[in-house]
Formats: sequence, structure tokens, C-alpha cells
Amino acid sequence: DSGVTQTPKHLITATGQRVTLRCSPRSGDLSVYWYQQSLDQGLQFLIQYYNGEERAKGNILERFSAQQFPDLHSELNLSSLELGDSALYFCASSPSGASTDTQYFGPGTRLTVL
Amino acid sequence: QQPVQSPQAVILREGEDAVINCSSSKALYSVHWYRQKHGEAPIFLMILLKGGEQKGHDKISASFNEKKQQSSLYLTASQLSYSGTYFCGTGSTNTGNQFYFGTGTSLTVIP
Repeated sequence: DSGVTQTPKHLITATGQRVTLRCSPRSGDLSVYWYQQSLDQGLQFLIQYYNGEERAKGNILERFSAQQFPDLHSELNLSSLELGDSALYFCASSPSGASTDTQYFGPGTRLTVL
Repeated sequence: QQPVQSPQAVILREGEDAVINCSSSKALYSVHWYRQKHGEAPIFLMILLKGGEQKGHDKISASFNEKKQQSSLYLTASQLSYSGTYFCGTGSTNTGNQFYFGTGTSLTVIP
């Protein structure tokens, strides 16, 4: 158990809908990362937050947005969902967000768009 | 920006050795290695920092050649538990900006 929690574990929704994925980092970690992993694909970096502020942006679509709250939990909002958004979404946390930090991954949220 | 790993897939018999390579087109500050079992979260193996270091972790070790912008993961005397997909992750700065995971290498160990 990494100490990172993600809810929900599974989510099934329809095209055009909007969903929110939630992540709680390990106690003491200030940085949160979001990744998308499509079927049998690699981990695509979406976005990173550090202590409530956006630190780095990757291949995140305009239909997606995220934020990190004062209690350090983070939410990833996906809107106008398309079939291609079906994937496993991971969040990871690290103490300071430096590239020398270990990233601890949560169990993931499996999103299925029908 | 995404580092490229080779080979894409490898099948080994128990006890055999394997090398997985990770190459980046950008200068690297750090290289991470993770292993992921199907449908599960990636698990951290090790981090190597700028300076050309080499690290070991049981029978799994890695090297980092910053001049060549490459890292290699060495698995010796492979065990069935080594099966999974291995990802390198590369950071181009210390601050964590520009961190990307590689294309992945699927490793299958058979009895």
C-alpha cells in the first residue's frame, strides 16, 4: 500500500458526460501528479501540482482540468467525454515534486466511456 | 520528449539475464525505474541521478550515462516475479518539470 488513495476505483459513464476523479496524497507529500494509461499503453503525464499550484503541464486535453486543494487532495475533471478517454487514470504523490523524488502511485481509477 | 525504451518486449526463462534500455533526446537530471503488473499501480524500483551513477537492488541494478542521455536496467538471474512492464521515467530538471515516462518494456519470465 503506497498510502495514496484514489476514488472511485471504477467509473462507467456515457459519451458527453463529465466526471471527477479524486486523489489523496501520502501524508506529508506536497506534490501530486496525474497520468493517463490507455489499454496496454504507457503512462502519459497530464499535469503536476505542488502545494496547490500548478507546476508542470503535459499532454492534458483542454476538456480536462485539475486542481489541488488546501488540504492537498487533488481532483481531475474530465468533461465532454469521448470513447477514447476510456483509460486507467493514476495519481502519484511525492514529497517535494522534485525529479529526484520517488513518485508513489495510487491504485488508479478505471474509466469506461460507453 | 517521451524517452524511448528497448526492447519493446522480451521473454526470458527463469535464471536468464536481461537488459532494458532507456534513451532520451533531452539532457537528463534523473532517471527513475518502475515496474507495473497488469492493471496495477507502478512500483518504484530505483532512482539514478546526474553523475553517471550505478545502483543495485537485489538482482536488479541500473546505470545512468548522462552524456549519452541513456539509462540501462539490468535484471540478473530472473525470477517469475520479475514479469511485468518496466518503465523508465526521466526528469530534465531538478524541480520536477518536464518529467516523462518511457514507452515501456514488457518482460515475461517463464519457468
